Amino acid sequence: EDQVTQSPEALRLQEGESSSLNCSYTVSGLRGLFWYRQDPGKGPEFLFTLYSAGEEKEKERLKATLTKKESFLHITAPKPEDSATYLCAVQAAGAQKLVFGQGTRLTINP
Amino acid sequence: GAVVSQHPSRVICKSGTSVKIECRSLDFQATTMFWYRQFPKQSLMLMATSNEGSKATYEQGVEKDKFLINHASLTLSTLTVTSAHPEDSSFYICSAMTMNTEAFFGQGTRLTVV
Repeated sequence: EDQVTQSPEALRLQEGESSSLNCSYTVSGLRGLFWYRQDPGKGPEFLFTLYSAGEEKEKERLKATLTKKESFLHITAPKPEDSATYLCAVQAAGAQKLVFGQGTRLTINP
Repeated sequence: GAVVSQHPSRVICKSGTSVKIECRSLDFQATTMFWYRQFPKQSLMLMATSNEGSKATYEQGVEKDKFLINHASLTLSTLTVTSAHPEDSSFYICSAMTMNTEAFFGQGTRLTVV
């Protein structure tokens, strides 16, 4: 069974304090790994798709990386507006649906 | 990124009535759409996968007669909560998948059944 585990469950950082969120996965052939950001009361906002080990993508203060077993979302010099829940999901080869992790609630204190 | 519009964003209905939620892909055609339910401080729970022109595939434990899904066109899917009860109160979110198999989400619908 495909599984996604995100850690930590919650993370508090000071503004400017860089860190990484982890997404470990087991899947029967990876088609894609997705990162989303979700603000309270809103739908998830698409951030990145990664398709193969070694791939990296960046957007502003965020950088996503992928290995054969996990993905990291690195956040550099975060700002309070980066506070949100970050969700990781995988799509198995030949499958349509995404399997989501439980998310990491990130809080950036000013 | 692609835009998915979901309406209404909030709805309050009386117990026993039905509520329809619409999900539209505004700038792309989506052969596949998904419907999720989300409880407070929890992740997304997939309810069903809908493919245009065919019957939706429901996840185990989801009542297909209570949660009716229609995907009549490449840009529109609807979720109807029939004979709603207070326990159906929740946050419902749709997503639409592009040809590149990237999934974009609507804004969500907060349903309150009183």
